[in-house]
Amino acid sequence: GENVEQHPSTLSVQEGDSAVIKCTYSDSASNYFPWYKQELGKRPQLIIDIRSNVGEKKDQRIAVTLNKTAKHFSLHITETQPEDSAVYFCAARSLTGRRALTFGSGTRLQVQP
Amino acid sequence: GAGVSQSPSNKVTEKGKDVELRCDPISGHTALYWYRQSLGQGLEFLIYFQGNSAPDKSGLPSDRFSAERTGGSVSTLTIQRTQQEDSAVYLCASGGVGNQPQHFGDGTRLSIL
Repeated sequence: GENVEQHPSTLSVQEGDSAVIKCTYSDSASNYFPWYKQELGKRPQLIIDIRSNVGEKKDQRIAVTLNKTAKHFSLHITETQPEDSAVYFCAARSLTGRRALTFGSGTRLQVQP
Repeated sequence: GAGVSQSPSNKVTEKGKDVELRCDPISGHTALYWYRQSLGQGLEFLIYFQGNSAPDKSGLPSDRFSAERTGGSVSTLTIQRTQQEDSAVYLCASGGVGNQPQHFGDGTRLSIL
C-alpha cells in the first residue's frame, strides 16, 4: 500500500521568511495530494491540493509542487506570519487499493515574530 | 449542514465499557472516513465508506472496533471493551465523488480511565 514520508518533523523560521515542507510517496498510482493545516486542538483544514496532471499550484502565499517522476511533492509558504504556526500534514490518495488518504507524520511549523 | 458534525466532542469512560461515536457528514457527500489521532501524532486510517459499496475496514486495529453507515449518511463508530490505548481523538471526514477534497469534523476526544 501507499507510504508517505514527511520531513522535517519540526521547522522554525523567522517571520517573513519562507518555509518548505517535503513529502515522498511510494505508490505510483497516487494521483491526489492534499495538504492540511492543524492548529492545536482543532480539526485538520485543507489548505491546498494538487492532482497528478499538474506540476504546481499557487494560492496567495502558499504553493505546492509535484514531481511525479521522483514521487515527491512540497509545500512552500512565503512571507510567513505567526498565524502560520501549526502542524502541517501532507497526504496522498491512490487510484488503486485504499481510497482513503494516507497521511505523512506531520511537520510542526513555528514562526517566530 | 455546513460541515461535518461529530458527537460527542468529549467522552470519558472506564476501561472495559463500550462507546459509540457519531459522525454526520456534509450533505450530499458519498464518501465517509474515520481516522484516529493519538496525542501529538499523525492521522491513522480506520475505515472508509463509499456509497453502497462494501466498506474498506482494513485500518481497524482490532475486532473491538466496528462502524456502520446507515442510509448512506450518518455513521457510528463503536469500540467495545475499551482499553487505555484506545484513548485518542477520533476524526471523521467526508468527501464527494472521485478525487474531491475531504473535510474533517472537530473530532471526538476519547479518554479511557
